Amino acid sequence: KQEVTQIPAALSVPEGENLVLNCSFTDSAIYNLQWFRQDPGKGLTSLLLIQSSQREQTSGRLNASLDKSSGRSTLYIAASQPGDSATYLCAVNDLKFYFGSGTKLNVKP
Amino acid sequence: NAGVTQTPKFRVLKTGQSMTLLCAQDMNHEYMYWYRQDPGMGLRLIHYSVGEGTTAKGEVPDGYNVSRLKKQNFLLGLESAAPSQTSVYFCASSPGLAGKQETQYFGPGTRLLVL
Repeated sequence: KQEVTQIPAALSVPEGENLVLNCSFTDSAIYNLQWFRQDPGKGLTSLLLIQSSQREQTSGRLNASLDKSSGRSTLYIAASQPGDSATYLCAVNDLKFYFGSGTKLNVKP
Repeated sequence: NAGVTQTPKFRVLKTGQSMTLLCAQDMNHEYMYWYRQDPGMGLRLIHYSVGEGTTAKGEVPDGYNVSRLKKQNFLLGLESAAPSQTSVYFCASSPGLAGKQETQYFGPGTRLLVL
């Protein structure tokens, strides 16, 4: 059974810092990995999708990498802003979706 | 284009009562999913459907039933609610591209409190 772990569980940084969120998974036989953002009391919004054959994907200040063989993905956020404050979840797709428990990010003005 | 909608947004039940949560999507997606989200545990898949008239069990199916009579709707039923079913329930849909291109679109969630 696929297990997805996210470290750290919570992170507080001052505005402007670059930061890295980590996601690890136990079974490397995946189709893709997806990073989501969840605001309090809201649903999930997709940020980036990385196919199993890809090494990274970029969208604006976000960059996600995937090392399938080692079962790891990172989400890099450049020049963080208070509006980035949210919970970030990763999910792996091996025909079913398995989610990590998320990293709660607080960016202080 | 409303995307994925869920009804109701919030509900309080007494132990033993039954209810149905409704999920609707207007994107003509083949696949639909029901998840529950509990503090510190991420999202766990309850049931899913890969097309109209089909359903399958996910990771935590016990105590729940589902139906997909129409392609755009996916219903989650609780026949006899228990306090352990207090959670936030999310519905999601995806195009049904069988793996590689699959990405999920989520509804806003239903908060359920069972007393």
